[in-house]
This record gives sequence, structure tokens and C-alpha cells, in this order.
Amino acid sequence: EVQVVESGGGLVQPGGSLRLSCAASGFTFSNYGMAWVRQAPGKGLEWVSAVFNSDDSTHYADSVKGRFTISRDNSMHTLYLQMNSLRAEDTALYYCAKGGIGADMIFDYWGQGTLVTVSS
Amino acid sequence: EIVLTQSPATLSLSPGERATLSCRASQSVNNYLAWFQQKPGQAPRLLIYDASNRATGIPARFSGSGSGTDFTLTISSLEPEDFAVYYCQQRYMWPPITFGQGTRLEIK
Repeated sequence: EVQVVESGGGLVQPGGSLRLSCAASGFTFSNYGMAWVRQAPGKGLEWVSAVFNSDDSTHYADSVKGRFTISRDNSMHTLYLQMNSLRAEDTALYYCAKGGIGADMIFDYWGQGTLVTVSS
Repeated sequence: EIVLTQSPATLSLSPGERATLSCRASQSVNNYLAWFQQKPGQAPRLLIYDASNRATGIPARFSGSGSGTDFTLTISSLEPEDFAVYYCQQRYMWPPITFGQGTRLEIK
């Protein structure tokens, strides 16, 4: 059974940092692209970042570029999102989503999300 | 950036009725369009990918059509569990991957 489970969310002050993790199981992690998608309270879905299967290609939404870093550890079947210089507008539920083979971004499995709250 | 516009914002129907949801792209996305369902407190669930392919385990009452800039999600006969928010998403030209703003399907 395919599973992705996020962790690492919490309350952080503006300007602070947080590292999210996504533990994957039930599929050959190293073959698939992965992504982070967020949802602010009461709002729609916003794509944040994606990484291809080999970690040699990463992509970001303009709203997080230069502040967030996506990475993956294929040996640990884990996806990460390092979030620096956090702002109030980064407050959201952050979902990890499994993509398709290689660089394809068909989000066929999602975790339940981890909540990030940026507030003083 | 490709903007996806969904209509209507809210659709009020009764169980057993047919639902037709629309997604229009600001430029062609070929057929690289997906539909997701999201219920309160739950993660999004992939329904349709590449405009018309049902994802694993999705009932046949869900169907997708369209190409280029105009797409439709049809639910042939609404079940009580189908009342939710629906999003379209494109992956043809990215970054950024973009989502529509959502259509809320509510019970009339």
C-alpha cells in the first residue's frame, strides 16, 4: 500500500525556520518525482515545490523561491522541505504528494498534511 | 503562468442528478489536466488524470473530457459522498504547476 506521511510542522515565529519531512512507503521511491503542495486555512491548493526522481532537478513557486529548499534521500525514502525566513503568509497545511515516474507530476497519492503556523 | 478558472464556484444539486464542472485554462495545456476531490478535513484525492483517465479505484460515474483550454468533469449520478470541493490542476507548462480555485459541490 502506497503511503506518504508528513511530519515536522508546528508554530514558528516570523523569520524562523522549520524542516518538514515526508516518509514514503509502498513504492520504489527513487523512481518517482515528489512535491509539496500547501493549503492556507479555508483556501485552495497551492503548489510549493517539486523534485525529480534523481534529485538533480528542483523547482519552486515564486512565493517561496530563495527561502525554501526541497531535497530527498532516496536511501531513506524520505522527502524534505527546509523552510527559512518564514512569513505569516506561509501558514498552511503542507501536503506531500507522490508524482509520476521520473519528472512527471501526476499527484496520485497525498499525505494527510502537517500544519505550519507562522505567528508571533 | 497558466491560470485555471473553474466554474461555477458553487454548484447546488440533489443526489441522483448529473453534475458538470468546468475548468478553463488561460492557454493550452494539451491534455495534461487532472481533477481532484477534497472533502473537509481530508487530503485531495486524484480522480482524473490526462483529462480523461480515471485514477485507480475511482467509480465509473466520474468522467473527464476536453483538451487544449476547455475541460469538463462530469459526475453522472450524484451519490451522497460526492458532495465536496473539486480542483483542476495542470502540469503541461511548469513551473509553476497550477490549480484552479475550486468548485464547491453542495447538496440542494
